[in-house]
Amino acid sequence: QVQLMESGGGVVQPGRSLRLSCAAFRFTFSSYGMHWVRQAPGKGLEWVASVWYDGSNKNYADSVKGRFTISRDNSENTLYLQMNSLRAEDTSIYYCARDWESVAGTSGVFDIWGQGTVVTVSS
Amino acid sequence: DIQMTQSPSSLSVSVGDRVTITCRASQTISRYLNWYQQKPGKAPKLLIHLASSLQSGVPSRFSGSGSGTDFTLTISSLQPEDFASYHCQQSYTTPFTFGPGTTVDIK
Repeated sequence: QVQLMESGGGVVQPGRSLRLSCAAFRFTFSSYGMHWVRQAPGKGLEWVASVWYDGSNKNYADSVKGRFTISRDNSENTLYLQMNSLRAEDTSIYYCARDWESVAGTSGVFDIWGQGTVVTVSS
Repeated sequence: DIQMTQSPSSLSVSVGDRVTITCRASQTISRYLNWYQQKPGKAPKLLIHLASSLQSGVPSRFSGSGSGTDFTLTISSLQPEDFASYHCQQSYTTPFTFGPGTTVDIK
């Protein structure tokens, strides 16, 4: 079935960098916008970033703007999140999610989610 | 940014009960409101999009309504597998924002 699988999480010191990956399976990845959504321990969900199906447009939450970069490789069916200058408040489970609409901008409806990868920022 | 609130924050119910969760946006979002279910240790799952459109495969006991700023998720007869947290989310504009969640647990 349609599936997303994140990887790349771990424990990292404040100020350091980490790159998350999200591999897509059994759907036409290049046709869908994609998102990263995170959830801090015991907290609610926070949208982080989105990218159009063709990579031409990207949006970020203010809390990560200038530090995080979303990108995609449609030839490899993979979504990325480059996280620089990490802070303690970035500690979360990071989910990648597919946008509900295909071959369009991002609708902001997240219809398929990965299982998440845990990022812990601590000295 | 559009702020989303939910009430109640938690509720204890019994199997078979009717459950209603409300979500309010800080400004009008038309019908750009989505509901997700999340079980402990799992990723969220899309239940309803655009306020009232049931996602494929979601049981018909789930329904959504509302427009503008006030929305409702209703579970007509709660089943054991429905004990979970429920999150509303606006997709009207970026940043896409979520409500704080409502936890439904066993009475």
